[in-house]
Amino acid sequence: AQKITQTQPGMFVQEKEAVTLDCTYDTSDQSYGLFWYKQPSSGEMIFLIYQGSYDEQNATEGRYSLNFQKARKSANLVISASQLGDSAMYFCAMREGPSDMRFGAGTRLTVKP
Amino acid sequence: GAGVSQSPRYKVAKRGQDVALRCDPISGHVSLFWYQQALGQGPEFLTYFQNEAQLDKSGLPSDRFFAERPEGSVSTLKIQRTQQEDSAVYLCASSLEGARNQPQHFGDGTRLSIL
Repeated sequence: AQKITQTQPGMFVQEKEAVTLDCTYDTSDQSYGLFWYKQPSSGEMIFLIYQGSYDEQNATEGRYSLNFQKARKSANLVISASQLGDSAMYFCAMREGPSDMRFGAGTRLTVKP
Repeated sequence: GAGVSQSPRYKVAKRGQDVALRCDPISGHVSLFWYQQALGQGPEFLTYFQNEAQLDKSGLPSDRFFAERPEGSVSTLKIQRTQQEDSAVYLCASSLEGARNQPQHFGDGTRLSIL
């Protein structure tokens, strides 16, 4: 069964505007971690932000914030003030145990000038 | 550099050949992971090491795939008798420990093409 669902294969955003990338997940564990990674065309996976299942506040890292709705099992990434360099693939991932990191299919974000 | 280092960056092999992919994790990172990423898809988990112990190899697609980390640092992913469906990017990642809140830091990957 798919554990991480990213329903937006592609998204467009105007430079300097905010964009939300959707992610829903499926787990029966109470303790888990949620991650977002960015993968530019060069291929490297860049860690962006982390949210723990017990964290009461939404995580923020600079222009990135995570809209965590535990009851709905969603962990959307919000990028504020988009920049051209934000154009990339974005992957949502969940970690339930030491090894079990599952990734979604990704969303390709294109920032328009 | 201080990041995860993978080599080679690109590998082309003929079907049936054996290949070996190397990963040098961040110094001091206990946990090491291998992933396979097909074109246009997210990474798929292959195997996990904690120090030299391979604790999870449930993602290895067949017995042609073998991974080792004999001294708890550098790891090698070996694919025997390669087939065309093995063509993918192989990503290595490391983390400080195996806790759920630890982000995994990835290398640039090895792009494997099987002709």
